[in-house]
Amino acid sequence: NAGVTQTPKFRILKIGQSMTLQCTQDMNHNYMYWYRQDPGMGLKLIYYSVGAGITDKGEVPNGYNVSRSTTEDFPLRLELAAPSQTSVYFCASLIDRAAFFGQGTRLTVV
Amino acid sequence: GDSVTQMEGPVTLSEEAFLTINCTYTATGYPSLFWYVQYPGEGLQLLLKATKADDKGSNKGFEATYRKKTTSFHLEKGSVQVSDSAVYFCALYTGGFKTIFGAGTRLFVKA
Repeated sequence: NAGVTQTPKFRILKIGQSMTLQCTQDMNHNYMYWYRQDPGMGLKLIYYSVGAGITDKGEVPNGYNVSRSTTEDFPLRLELAAPSQTSVYFCASLIDRAAFFGQGTRLTVV
Repeated sequence: GDSVTQMEGPVTLSEEAFLTINCTYTATGYPSLFWYVQYPGEGLQLLLKATKADDKGSNKGFEATYRKKTTSFHLEKGSVQVSDSAVYFCALYTGGFKTIFGAGTRLFVKA
């Protein structure tokens, strides 16, 4: 049982480049989330989805986009990378009020 | 709005010491309460939960009791180990699609 899987684990981007962080879950959970965690800080919600075709903004959506075409997949897109987006990104799903997290993607923008 | 406040870290203890990490919350409605743990380089994992007042959640020697009167959900362990060194997050969920996390408390356990 893989749970929530994120790829890649690490990535270095140059300023202005774009990339997609992949997230997939095999638990058939409807609710999915993207968070960022800056060093020594807590979690900030970027976007969330309550089901295929439905997404909504969290606390810090600027500079990001998401889509949810299937229950399993919830990719996060960075269009024009900026140094302020250097962070660790976590994808999560929710069932019975409890969250299940992926291992994270450590992104550095230089 | 809903919020979670937990004690600031880091907390440094010797092995076999007693652990308490304080957590208080503000919420409308009837939240479920959680503790998550994050080991270095990993994502958060559910440690324990409680869904109604006076419930006690427990796992791996950790316990927390849902106190509605004091709006608290303090995490305790009787004897910590070096392997318990991690960041601990208190959280609540009230059903509005979003989990509210505390800022996290880093625990260091010395051998």
